[in-house]
Amino acid sequence: EDQVTQSPEALRLQEGESSSLNCSYTVSGLRGLFWYRQDPGKGPEFLFTLYSAGEEKEKERLKATLTKKESFLHITAPKPEDSATYLCAVHTGGGNKLTFGTGTQLKVEL
Amino acid sequence: ETGVTQTPRHLVMGMTNKKSLKCEQHLGHNAMYWYKQSAKKPLELMFVYSLEERVENNSVPSRFSPECPNSSHLFLHLHTLQPEDSALYLCASSPRGEADTQYFGPGTRLTVL
Repeated sequence: EDQVTQSPEALRLQEGESSSLNCSYTVSGLRGLFWYRQDPGKGPEFLFTLYSAGEEKEKERLKATLTKKESFLHITAPKPEDSATYLCAVHTGGGNKLTFGTGTQLKVEL
Repeated sequence: ETGVTQTPRHLVMGMTNKKSLKCEQHLGHNAMYWYKQSAKKPLELMFVYSLEERVENNSVPSRFSPECPNSSHLFLHLHTLQPEDSALYLCASSPRGEADTQYFGPGTRLTVL
């Protein structure tokens, strides 16, 4: 059974304090790994898709990387508006199913 | 309207009521999804439609009944719900399915009394 584990569950940073969120996965045949951002009471907002080990993608202060066992979401010099829950999901096998982790709740303080 | 929209945004219903959630996507996608999100739990896939045909029913109780009249609209009909069904219900769409990126709507916050 596919498993996705995100760590830490919660992270508190000072503005400008860079850090990384982890998404480790145990799957049979990864076909894609997805990062989403979710604000309270709202739907997940798509950030990145990674398909193969070694792939990296960047968007503003965020950079996602992928290895054969895990993905990292690096946040450089975060701002309070980066506060949200970050979700990781994997797509394996055939069909349309994504398996999600429970997310990392990030709070960036002034 | 752009992206994926959902109505209503909030719904309170009794256990004997019947209500429906509506989702509409304006992205020209062919696959649509219903997810349930409960506190401290991962998103749970409920149903998948591809080209208006249901392709996955993830062991969801029969008190939840999906309907996809065309590739732009998706409904979730609710009846005789339980308090534990209270959650955020999210709709998503993707171009085709098969490892496509899924784009989510804002969700409907459902409370069952």
